[in-house]
Amino acid sequence: NAGVTQTPKFQVLKTGQSMTLQCAQDMNHEYMSWYRQDPGMGLRLIHYSVGAGITDQGEVPNGYNVSRSTTEDFPLRLLSAAPSQTSVYFCASSTPYGYTFGSGTRLTVV
Amino acid sequence: EDQVTQSPEALRLQEGESSSLNCSYTVSGLRGLFWYRQDPGKGPEFLFTLYSAGEEKEKERLKATLTKKESFLHITAPKPEDSATYLCAILLTSGTYKYIFGTGTRLKVLA
Repeated sequence: NAGVTQTPKFQVLKTGQSMTLQCAQDMNHEYMSWYRQDPGMGLRLIHYSVGAGITDQGEVPNGYNVSRSTTEDFPLRLLSAAPSQTSVYFCASSTPYGYTFGSGTRLTVV
Repeated sequence: EDQVTQSPEALRLQEGESSSLNCSYTVSGLRGLFWYRQDPGKGPEFLFTLYSAGEEKEKERLKATLTKKESFLHITAPKPEDSATYLCAILLTSGTYKYIFGTGTRLKVLA
């Protein structure tokens, strides 16, 4: 009963590097999303997807790309990492009845 | 503008000292209000969903209530294991699954 699986749990990047945060869910949810969580700012929506092949921008999309080729997977790509992207990233899948969150990726950009 | 505000930001209670957390909202249309618990280093964990004013939900020492402008999370006789950050989120009627999260209340229960 995995739910939402995120990898890696921790990552350190140098400014300018790119990387992909992986997210997979096994609940057959259509809706998936990526949030970042920063102290004092709560959870902010980066990108979301309402189904395979459909993605859209959230509140803070700049510097991030997503794709949704299958219902299960929703990777988040950092194109050119910046220190402002240091944060904790959560992937979630949901129905109208609530979210299931992954355990998070703590990203530090130096 | 759709907005969710939680108060207080932080709360320290003695074990057994009951209290309430507040989530106030101003939204164009509310589809549902959600409470989550988040432990350090983990993702938020679902607690309750409330859909209409007057609705109440209970789980162990927690009780969530909803009015037209706010929700309360009542904690009765808390224990140290209730220490966590409690997040409130609203689901809007407009848009597809558009949630807005509050910044949370950090609860510390002292033994």
